[in-house]
Amino acid sequence: QLQLQESGPGLVRPSETLTLTCTVSGASISSSSYYWGWIRQPPGKGLEWIGSIYYSGSTYYNPSLKSRVTISVDTSKNQFSLKLSSVTAADTAVYYCARRPQWGAINYWGQGTLVTVSS
Amino acid sequence: EIVLTQSPATLSLSPGEGATLSCRASQSVSGYLAWYQQKPGQAPRLLIYDASNRATGIPARFSGSGSGTDFTLTISSLEPEDFAVYYCQQRSDWPHTFGQGTKLEIK
Repeated sequence: QLQLQESGPGLVRPSETLTLTCTVSGASISSSSYYWGWIRQPPGKGLEWIGSIYYSGSTYYNPSLKSRVTISVDTSKNQFSLKLSSVTAADTAVYYCARRPQWGAINYWGQGTLVTVSS
Repeated sequence: EIVLTQSPATLSLSPGEGATLSCRASQSVSGYLAWYQQKPGQAPRLLIYDASNRATGIPARFSGSGSGTDFTLTISSLEPEDFAVYYCQQRSDWPHTFGQGTKLEIK
């Protein structure tokens, strides 16, 4: 059974870089034809797609965040990561990692982790 | 980017009634639309993918329809556990945007 687990600091200072890691168990992150991605949800609000990385290494980012976002994969640890730079209070949200088959919708989600941006 | 507009924002119904939720895209997404259910404190759960295909383990009372720009999620007879927030998402073009959600609440 595939499981995804987010990890990282729950509090980040304004202007710093938010870094989260998603550990994948039950499947290889190098498996072909899957996208691994990040979605966030500010408290009490809707879902926002942040970006994805394909198993081949190609990346796709939300244009609204593109200048600040980097998604990368560490195949040796079966993990993928999110870096969001120059954070502000508007980046406070629950961050989810997720997997989507190439020909389908997101069918596996992590439990989510709350990141608060505050001094 | 493709904007998805869900309606209504809130739907108040009683258990046993049927529900119809709408998702409209600002441009055609072909059939590449999914529906998710989210309960408080939980991650979203996939219900429907590619407009009309039920995900694994999803009850038959959930059905999806539509293509192009207009899509519908139908719940034939509401169970108490169906009261939640529902989101649509398109994968036709990057970024893979979500709708703003429809809250299905108990009347």
